[in-house]
Amino acid sequence: QSVLTQPPSVSGAPGQRVTISCTGSSSNIGANYDVNWYQQVPGVVPKLLIYSNNIRPSGVPDRFSGSKSGTSASLAITGLQAEDEADYYCQSYDNSLSASVFGGGTKLTVL
Amino acid sequence: QVQLVESGGGVVQPGGSLRLSCVASGFRFSTHGMHWVRQAPGKGLEWVAFIRSDGSNKYYGDSVKGRSTISRDNSQNTLYLHMNSLRPEDTAVYYCGKDYTNWAIDYWGQGALVTVSS
Repeated sequence: QSVLTQPPSVSGAPGQRVTISCTGSSSNIGANYDVNWYQQVPGVVPKLLIYSNNIRPSGVPDRFSGSKSGTSASLAITGLQAEDEADYYCQSYDNSLSASVFGGGTKLTVL
Repeated sequence: QVQLVESGGGVVQPGGSLRLSCVASGFRFSTHGMHWVRQAPGKGLEWVAFIRSDGSNKYYGDSVKGRSTISRDNSQNTLYLHMNSLRPEDTAVYYCGKDYTNWAIDYWGQGALVTVSS
């Protein structure tokens, strides 16, 4: 059981908008620690998609956006494309564990 | 360009030990914190350990705490993970990663497979 909870799967048709939630607690997201998001295409190394809640690294399309509120965070993907089909992970720091933690991951299927 | 190359993976018997290495290039290694993250076959990412740029502070995930030691040699641009008392559930691809900010990992190595099996 991950400290950060993500839905196991989400899906959407090309062009649609999907969101992936990441629910934490008062010892991680709710303690104002930043949330990072990663994309992992099967068989490929993870890629940093969003850092510090809502900042995109250079080269990441603006179709990807992040937000945070209270003890939760969300990743939104607009204009869904076939190449977006991948696993997505949130990450934060937990002060009760004194460790960083990943969510369990969400598999995005583009219909 | 940034490169991270892991080595030291392989097959280890339960109860055994292993040292993973990660050689970094393309950036100023001594000024960046470094992570280890693992991924069991068919499973999600699991954060393992972090060491600050000067080695002054180290952090560990619960599943490896007490059995693992993260270290670095800034003169050799190399990160290490020494694991003891290995268990079958430690079987995973182990990635080293460069810290960017706020625990975010902006560059990842290709990974080293560790298989714990008799």
